[in-house]
Amino acid sequence: SQTIHQWPATLVQPVGSPLSLECTVEGTSNPNLYWYRQAAGRGLQLLFYSVGIGQISSEVPQNLSASRPQDRQFILSSKKLLLSDSGFYLCAWAGTSINIQYFGAGTRLSVL
Amino acid sequence: QKEVEQDPGPLSVPEGAIVSLNCTYSNSAFQYFMWYRQYSRKGPELLMYTYSSGNKEDGRFTAQVDKSSKYISLFIRDSQPSDSATYLCAPIGGAGGTSYGKLTFGQGTILTVHP
Repeated sequence: SQTIHQWPATLVQPVGSPLSLECTVEGTSNPNLYWYRQAAGRGLQLLFYSVGIGQISSEVPQNLSASRPQDRQFILSSKKLLLSDSGFYLCAWAGTSINIQYFGAGTRLSVL
Repeated sequence: QKEVEQDPGPLSVPEGAIVSLNCTYSNSAFQYFMWYRQYSRKGPELLMYTYSSGNKEDGRFTAQVDKSSKYISLFIRDSQPSDSATYLCAPIGGAGGTSYGKLTFGQGTILTVHP
């Protein structure tokens, strides 16, 4: 069966520090991968998606970037965090039925 | 106008009540209509989905889509305290975006079922 792992679960970072969040998927190959952000009390906002290694599409201009160095690995990064980067970050994958996305447990990021 | 509008609630009901959760959307190209359930501090999990207009039932849950009025509903019968969560509607589709599976999420409705 397929599983998705995200870490860390919680992260507290100072303003201006770098960020690296990792997401890996097991049990499937060539998945579509997604990064979302969820602000408190709000819906999910799609940040990036990837249909293959090295292929990244950005949905909104921002202080973040994404990379996909391996088929089942998706990384969210920032060189310098802003206060506004705080939120709940979720990784998701979709397989053969691209309309069905499955989410990881999320990373709660607090930038102070 | 947002593509997907969902009343954030919060909605509080007694155990056993019938719950109705609703969304409206503006993009007539949406074809699949997902409902996700998200427990506090967890990632969303897919509850059920429908394709185009009509009803779909799964146990105590019924999803309904009316494309003519662009209205999506989720009904929960015999609600339980374990149903307490945030419910997110997420239609998918749209010109140029369907092939990449870009869900458009509603804000989510916070539901509490009290014993």
